[in-house]
Amino acid sequence: EAQVTQNPRYLITVTGKKLTVTCSQNMNHEYMSWYRQDPGLGLRQIYYSMNVEVTDKGDVPEGYKVSRKEKRNFPLILESPSPNQTSLYFCASSHTSGIDDEQFFGPGTRLTVL
Amino acid sequence: GENVEQHPSTLSVQEGDSAVIKCTYSDSASNYFPWYKQELGKRPQLIIDIRSNVGEKKDQRIAVTLNKTAKHFSLHITETQPEDSAVYFCAATLNTGGFKTIFGAGTRLFVKA
Repeated sequence: EAQVTQNPRYLITVTGKKLTVTCSQNMNHEYMSWYRQDPGLGLRQIYYSMNVEVTDKGDVPEGYKVSRKEKRNFPLILESPSPNQTSLYFCASSHTSGIDDEQFFGPGTRLTVL
Repeated sequence: GENVEQHPSTLSVQEGDSAVIKCTYSDSASNYFPWYKQELGKRPQLIIDIRSNVGEKKDQRIAVTLNKTAKHFSLHITETQPEDSAVYFCAATLNTGGFKTIFGAGTRLFVKA
């Protein structure tokens, strides 16, 4: 089944404890992206990747890192999480890096930073 | 940078009525405008999109219009049904060397049976 998967789905952690949220797609998609969703703010793009080893900042990259060593995986790294990073996170991918390609979203990861 | 404003934030309609959600964007370089539907507890899913060289697109009960001059685009849902109840997000994508996508804040649509 074609899909985007994220792990973990739920995470409660404490300030300063490094964590990684994994994202994987099995559709051979070139483009991958991370978003955070907060009430009243919609979805805000954190980082995106046009292809392997090509990443760039979205609108809210502060406090986050990403890597794209393989086409299928795009992990989101929080080196020192803070309470303001408590949010619902979505990974998404699209077939090519074409601007008008549909983005397929993962199921989301709900992160709470105490 | 690009900014997308979406109105209204909440919309309540009677089943069978039409619903209209409006968005404006600021960067004239934006050239792709998707609409996503997110049901409660689920992931966003694309329902319709429009490219900047097209003024209108329709898919059954859903239509999107784009006015590039005014930097407005709108989602129209006709003959609404209770299963249309969800949060709808508009977005604008622009080429900055990569492709950035900016979403509106969302509209919560309630369709009353």
